[in-house]
Amino acid sequence: QVQLVQSGSELKKPGASVKVSCKASGYTFTSYAMNWVRQAPGQGLEWMGWINTNTGNPTYAQGFTGRFVFSLDTSVSTAYLQISSLKAEDTAVYYCARALVVGRHGDYGPVYFDYWGQGTLVTVSS
Amino acid sequence: AIRMTQSPSSFSASTGDRVTITCRASQGISSYLAWYQQKPGKAPKLLIYAASTLQSGVPSRFSGSGSGTDFTLTISCLQSEDFATYYCQQYYSYPRTFGGGTKVEIK
Repeated sequence: QVQLVQSGSELKKPGASVKVSCKASGYTFTSYAMNWVRQAPGQGLEWMGWINTNTGNPTYAQGFTGRFVFSLDTSVSTAYLQISSLKAEDTAVYYCARALVVGRHGDYGPVYFDYWGQGTLVTVSS
Repeated sequence: AIRMTQSPSSFSASTGDRVTITCRASQGISSYLAWYQQKPGKAPKLLIYAASTLQSGVPSRFSGSGSGTDFTLTISCLQSEDFATYYCQQYYSYPRTFGGGTKVEIK
């Protein structure tokens, strides 16, 4: 069965970095894109962007450029989210979610998210 | 960016009720819309994609409709396990965006 298993909760100080992992199993890793979604405490879902698991090419949503990096290790079917220069407002649960990629009417990107990781809580506090 | 507006933001209902949640897109998105259910402390779960296609394993009491800018999620007979927050999401264009969520609470 398809599973996305994320790394555990993290407590970091402002200015530090964190790397969240998302290990996929039960399907061919390179057949689906990996997306990252943020959920701040008590708030809704915010799409951060996606990484093409065939090419390694990342696409970042506005507001997630610069300090956020998506990467892969296809040899172990794992995607990573690294956040540097952490701020208190980065405190959130971060989800990975897989999606097929479709090209149509000039848009090439992920569709809906059919499987999600369990989420990783990143807390930034001094 | 396409803005997704859900209404209501929350409401109370009883087991057995028929409930409808609305999602409106700020511009036309054809049928490129998904619905998710999220329970406290859990990851979202895909319910419906392509506006009206039920994801495998999702109970048939859930249904979706709409195209263009206006969409609805209907639960025909609310069960205890359906009390949760529901989100719509468009995948018509970048960036992918979610609605603000609709919390369904027990009356």
